[in-house]
Order: sequence, then C-alpha cells, then structure tokens
Amino acid sequence: EDQVTQSPEALRLQEGESSSLNCSYTVSGLRGLFWYRQDPGKGPEFLFTLYSAGEEKEKERLKATLTKKESFLHITAPKPEDSATYLCAVQAYGQNFVFGPGTRLSVLP
Amino acid sequence: DTEVTQTPKHLVMGMTNKKSLKCEQHMGHRAMYWYKQKAKKPPELMFVYSYEKLSINESVPSRFSPECPNSSLLNLHLHALQPEDSALYLCASSQEARTGVKGYTFGSGTRLTVV
Repeated sequence: EDQVTQSPEALRLQEGESSSLNCSYTVSGLRGLFWYRQDPGKGPEFLFTLYSAGEEKEKERLKATLTKKESFLHITAPKPEDSATYLCAVQAYGQNFVFGPGTRLSVLP
Repeated sequence: DTEVTQTPKHLVMGMTNKKSLKCEQHMGHRAMYWYKQKAKKPPELMFVYSYEKLSINESVPSRFSPECPNSSLLNLHLHALQPEDSALYLCASSQEARTGVKGYTFGSGTRLTVV
C-alpha cells in the first residue's frame, strides 16, 4: 500500500531562519511526487513535480529535492508570507494521488 | 484560463436541506475530482470522473451524489447531511485521470457547515 508521511507536523521559524521539510514515501512505481502549498480555507496550490531521484526544482525561496525514499522542501530565508501548510503527494502509475498529512509552517516576523 | 472555479465559497445548510456544489474548469482537462478536507487533515478523495464517467467512488455515503453534465462541469448534490459532514469540499481537475505534469489543479473550495 502506498504511504506518505511528513515531518515535522508543525514548524515555527523566525523570519530569515532557513529550514527543511521532509516527505517520506513508500510507493510501487513512482510516477511523480508533488508539493503543494495550502493557505487556510483555500485549495492546494501547485509548487513542484519531481519525477526521479536526484531531481531538484527551485522557485523563489523554495527548493525541492528527491531521493528514492524521500523528498525535502528547503526554505531559504523565509518570510511571514511563506506561512502555510505544505502538502506532499505521491502518484504511482495508474493510481490516484496519495497525500501526506502536511507540515504547518509558521514564519514569525 | 488555468483555474478551477467552485461555487458557492461558503454554504450553511440544515440536515433536511438539499443543496448542490458546483465546479467548473476550462483547461480542457478530462478528469475531475471531488475531495473532502477536515481541519488539519489532508484532502480525502471522494469521487473521480474520467471523460464524464464516474470511475471511482471511494465508498462515499449516498447522501453525496456527484454529477458530471459535461467535460467542464462537475456538481456534488447534497441531501440529508450530518453535522460531521461539515468540511472544506475541494474540486480538482487533471489532463487525464491519474496523470498530468502538475498533478491536479485545485479550486478554492466550498466551506460547508451542516447545522
């Protein structure tokens, strides 16, 4: 059975304090790993897709990396507007998404 | 146009009411989804439509009834709901069922409160 876990469950950072979020997964035949950002009461907003181990994607202060068992979302010098829940999802070939429980990030000014 | 539009944004309904949630996309996507999300939990898949046909029903109670009138529209009809059905209901779409470079494109959701 495909499984996704995320850590930490919640993270509080000071503005400018860099850190990483973890997504660990077990899936047979990974088609893609997806990172989404979700603000309270809103739908998830697409950030990145990673397809194979070693792949990296960057967008502004965010950088996502992928290994065979986990993905990291690195946040460099975060700002308060980066506060959100970050969801990781994996998709096996021919299957629907499996979401992780998310990491709630708070960036304090 | 790269949006999934959901209406209404907020809905309060009694347990004897009948209401509908609506979802619309104009990206040419052929798969559409309904998800339910409780507070501090990830989205849970309810239904999948592929080429306007229901392909997955994740054992959802019959008080939730999906409908796909055409390739751009998805409805969720609600009847005799319970207070525990209160949640954020998300619609999503993708190019094909279970594929798409960006995975799924989500709408902003309908916040449903059952009283």
